Amino acid sequence: EAQVTQNPRYLITVTGKKLTVTCSQNMNHEYMSWYRQDPGLGLRQIYYSMNVEVTDKGDVPEGYKVSRKEKRNFPLILESPSPNQTSLYFCASSEGVEGYNEQFFGPGTRLTVL
Amino acid sequence: GQNIDQPTEMTATEGAIVQINCTYQTSGFNGLFWYQQHAGEAPTFLSYNVLDGLEEKGRFSSFLSRSKGYSYLLLKELQMKDSASYLCASSDSNYQLIWGAGTKLIIKP
Repeated sequence: EAQVTQNPRYLITVTGKKLTVTCSQNMNHEYMSWYRQDPGLGLRQIYYSMNVEVTDKGDVPEGYKVSRKEKRNFPLILESPSPNQTSLYFCASSEGVEGYNEQFFGPGTRLTVL
Repeated sequence: GQNIDQPTEMTATEGAIVQINCTYQTSGFNGLFWYQQHAGEAPTFLSYNVLDGLEEKGRFSSFLSRSKGYSYLLLKELQMKDSASYLCASSDSNYQLIWGAGTKLIIKP
């Protein structure tokens, strides 16, 4: 089954404790991205990757890191989480750039930083 | 600046028709997307318009007017399962998406 998976689905952590949210897709998509979704705001892009070893900042990259060492995986790293990073996070993938292709989203990771 | 506007919430009756509007202002334009998002779930793709006009896909249709910076999503024969948020997103000159905050659609029996 074609899908995007994320882990964990739910996470409660404390300020400053490094964490990684994994994302994997099995559709051989070149383009992957991370979004955060907060009430009353649209999806905001954190980082995106157009291919292996190619990553770029989105609209809200501060406090986040990513890597794309393999085509299928695109982990999101929070080196020192803070309460303002409490949010619902989605990973997405598409065959090509997001603004021309249907995106497939993972199930979401609900992160709470205390 | 870049901006997407859509109503925050709409209510409609089962079996009826509802139109969800979206206006956009982006640097360049490469198309308009609509996604559906049920509460607590991931967004799923509904439609993509890049040319003016109406595109129909079953009970759902999407319309685009590039000159007016306007799109709408039309849902016919509403069903309870259509209760969801509907996200409008405009593709800018770099093929990056600018997302609206979403319209929460409530269907009443």
